[in-house]
Amino acid sequence: AQSVTQLDSQVPVFEEAPVELRCNYSSSVSVYLFWYVQYPNQGLQLLLKYLSGSTLVESINGFEAEFNKSQTSFHLRKPSVHISDTAEYFCAVRSIGSARQLTFGSGTQLTVLP
Amino acid sequence: DGGITQSPKYLFRKEGQNVTLSCEQNLNHDAMYWYRQDPGQGLRLIYYSQIVNDFQKGDIAEGYSVSREKKESFPLTVTSAQKNPTAFYLCASSIQRGGNTGELFFGEGSRLTVL
Repeated sequence: AQSVTQLDSQVPVFEEAPVELRCNYSSSVSVYLFWYVQYPNQGLQLLLKYLSGSTLVESINGFEAEFNKSQTSFHLRKPSVHISDTAEYFCAVRSIGSARQLTFGSGTQLTVLP
Repeated sequence: DGGITQSPKYLFRKEGQNVTLSCEQNLNHDAMYWYRQDPGQGLRLIYYSQIVNDFQKGDIAEGYSVSREKKESFPLTVTSAQKNPTAFYLCASSIQRGGNTGELFFGEGSRLTVL
């Protein structure tokens, strides 16, 4: 079985401050990991993914996430947030070789305050 | 541009009526999915289809039905048996052939409100 836990449902942060959105997963085998972003009344867009190789992955808009196998985590970070980063962020996992589909966390609402 | 198109974006329905949500993709993806999203509950899988003329129930299939007559299309019907149908519905697709990582591509969603 695979599962994802996003530890914070809401994260308020001031503009230009750093932020970390936490994600922990559970799986008995190796995994693929994803972060998706959702703006109000829109679908989900892929932000970044870990498939293999370097444990640090980056997005084009300054977010990064680090795969930590020993801690079964895939936390999302940004050193300086903008108002436009306000959105809901979902972590997702898929066990390699499994027939199961992606399993999503319950989401973290990031609100950037002026 | 390739993508997934969902329609309508907003839909109102009276209790006891069935309603069908459309999902069309031109990404040539084999697999298609329907998710339901409620505040604070993340995404829950309703149905998915990995090949034409075949589909499987997800975690919350009761009160919903689907068909997959064409590779490009995967409509979802919300029936009157669905006890709490007001929600945001998301359609997604993925490559299903070798090297499949499970990455999903999403449509813009359809918001259904039952009056």
